[in-house]
Amino acid sequence: ETGVTQTPRHLVMGMTNKKSLKCEQHLGHNAMYWYKQSAKKPLELMFVYSLEERVENNSVPSRFSPECPNSSHLFLHLHTLQPEDSALYLCASSRLAGRQPQHFGDGTRLSIL
Amino acid sequence: AQRVTQPEKLLSVFKGAPVELKCNYSYSGSPELFWYVQYSRQRLQLLLRHISRESIKGFTADLNKGETSFHLKKPFAQEEDSAMYYCALPGPPGGGNKLTFGTGTQLKVEL
Repeated sequence: ETGVTQTPRHLVMGMTNKKSLKCEQHLGHNAMYWYKQSAKKPLELMFVYSLEERVENNSVPSRFSPECPNSSHLFLHLHTLQPEDSALYLCASSRLAGRQPQHFGDGTRLSIL
Repeated sequence: AQRVTQPEKLLSVFKGAPVELKCNYSYSGSPELFWYVQYSRQRLQLLLRHISRESIKGFTADLNKGETSFHLKKPFAQEEDSAMYYCALPGPPGGGNKLTFGTGTQLKVEL
């Protein structure tokens, strides 16, 4: 499969659970991103990885922990989330050279009970 | 700091009418802007970028540095144009190539 793939598509979890979101890109890109998309709010950039190194962390609570083991995979580990964390989590990737557009996955719809 | 403003949350037009989705930006330097579109139940995808100077699905956007605008236009709206549209501004070189998105405009094309 080509493009950016996110799993799972939907996730329901309790506040004390630990789960992980996965993102995989088959585009040969070397930068990857996590975004949060909530209803009635703009897209919020959470994390940026460039060549597998985290280059940005936009004041995201520590209950969100990203991991980028290689340039094709990105994870978002979730631990003791809050109800306000319910949202659509989008992964994107891009090339680094120049101002390249980002390619997005379908997202994971997360619901916190 | 760079910023992208889309003043309209919702824009409703009739089929065949002209469409203009507004985008203004704040950026020190030479900007490059994108328009992204998200159709119902589909992923966010790139619609066009100003550097390409091309028309995609009948849409065009011209960068106006004097007015710091990058409005998206289409002369005749089609029903399939109904979607959420986001204007986006890449950051300066380095820093992981991040994008600053506007809040989005929901375009509704009515019959």
